[in-house]
Amino acid sequence: DAGITQSPRYKITETGRQVTLMCHQTWSHSYMFWYRQDLGHGLRLIYYSAAADITDKGEVPDGYVVSRSKTENFPLTLESATRSQTSVYFCATKSSGELFFGEGSRLTVL
Amino acid sequence: ELKVEQNPLFLSMQEGKNYTIYCNYSTTSDRLYWYRQDPGKSLESLFVLLSNGAVKQEGRLMASLDTKARLSTLHITAAVHDLSATYFCAVEDWGSNYQLIWGAGTKLIIKP
Repeated sequence: DAGITQSPRYKITETGRQVTLMCHQTWSHSYMFWYRQDLGHGLRLIYYSAAADITDKGEVPDGYVVSRSKTENFPLTLESATRSQTSVYFCATKSSGELFFGEGSRLTVL
Repeated sequence: ELKVEQNPLFLSMQEGKNYTIYCNYSTTSDRLYWYRQDPGKSLESLFVLLSNGAVKQEGRLMASLDTKARLSTLHITAAVHDLSATYFCAVEDWGSNYQLIWGAGTKLIIKP
């Protein structure tokens, strides 16, 4: 089915480890986004991409790396995970200004 | 810098009652979005409001936009338990490459 798929849905890791969250879309939307959602902070934009090979920082990019070699994939990497990165991460695409979200990836850093 | 404020942040109400959630924003924009999120789930688009005076309705929910007042409202009519969720508004920020700036969300609990 068309849409956005995030993986893994749940991940537990340890401080200092590298973690990659995957996001795949089947719509061929140009724009893709990574948000984190924490209690008391709502949704905060980490990185976004306007097209393949074009990425830009959002509100809270520190500690994260993204790439977009293909239109359909937009992985988010935590190079050295910290406890403060425990959160729910949402990938989204945009069409006609409206965002469409994946199911989320719940990450716990111990 | 565009800021978006929702109020109330938490609302507990009885079935059958009417209520309104407010979304204020600080700088010029004429695009506003409402989303719903159920606990542990993703965000679902409810309404897209694209101009001053826009009004959209879906079932017991009605959203409106007043760009001059920089205010959007989400009105709930004769609430039912199934509308319990967290509701977010998001405003398109012309000054940040048209990215969406999000309100903190309103957690709505509707008691039978």
